[in-house]
Amino acid sequence: QSVLTQPPSVSGAPGQRVTISCTGTSSNIGAGYDVHWYQQLPGTAPKLLIYGNTNRPSGVPDRFSGSKSGTSASLAITGLQAEDEADYYCQSADSGLNVVFGGGTKLTVL
Amino acid sequence: QVQLQESGPGLVKPSGTLSLTCAVSGDSISSSYWWSWVRQAPGKGLEWIGEIHHRGTTYYNPSLKSRVSISMDKSKNQFSLNLSSVTAADTAVYYCARDHPLRIWGRGTQVAVSS
Repeated sequence: QSVLTQPPSVSGAPGQRVTISCTGTSSNIGAGYDVHWYQQLPGTAPKLLIYGNTNRPSGVPDRFSGSKSGTSASLAITGLQAEDEADYYCQSADSGLNVVFGGGTKLTVL
Repeated sequence: QVQLQESGPGLVKPSGTLSLTCAVSGDSISSSYWWSWVRQAPGKGLEWIGEIHHRGTTYYNPSLKSRVSISMDKSKNQFSLNLSSVTAADTAVYYCARDHPLRIWGRGTQVAVSS
């Protein structure tokens, strides 16, 4: 059971917009800890996609955006592309745990 | 360009100790970063194992704390993971990573626990 809760799967057609939620509690996201997002393509290591709730590392397309409110955060992907098909993980911190992950969400591009 | 490379035995016997090393290139392990270990069991999500700071401070996942030790060797520019009393549940791909958030990752190394 992951500390942060994500939907197991989401899907969308090319060009559409999808969102992935990440729900925490008052001891992690709600306590003010930043949320980060990682993309894991099949058979590869995770890659930092969004950091500090809303920021994109250099090289990440602006189709990817993050937001945070209260005890939850969201990752939005607009203009969905086939290459976006991957697993996505949110990450934050919790009291007594410097790093906590969500269970991951598998994005399928229809 | 900073690169991390995990290495270690791909097979460990039950009740034994899993030992992995993460070699760092393109940066000094003495720089002010946190150096982490993360694992991913087959078909499962990411699990943070623990981390070490260049000054030697360590933090571990409470669920693994009694079995985990992370250390660093500044002379070799690498850090290591030891996980004792392993079972099949410790079978996973083990990643090393740098910083908060985890900006730079190694490619991962597969470790199976089996007799």
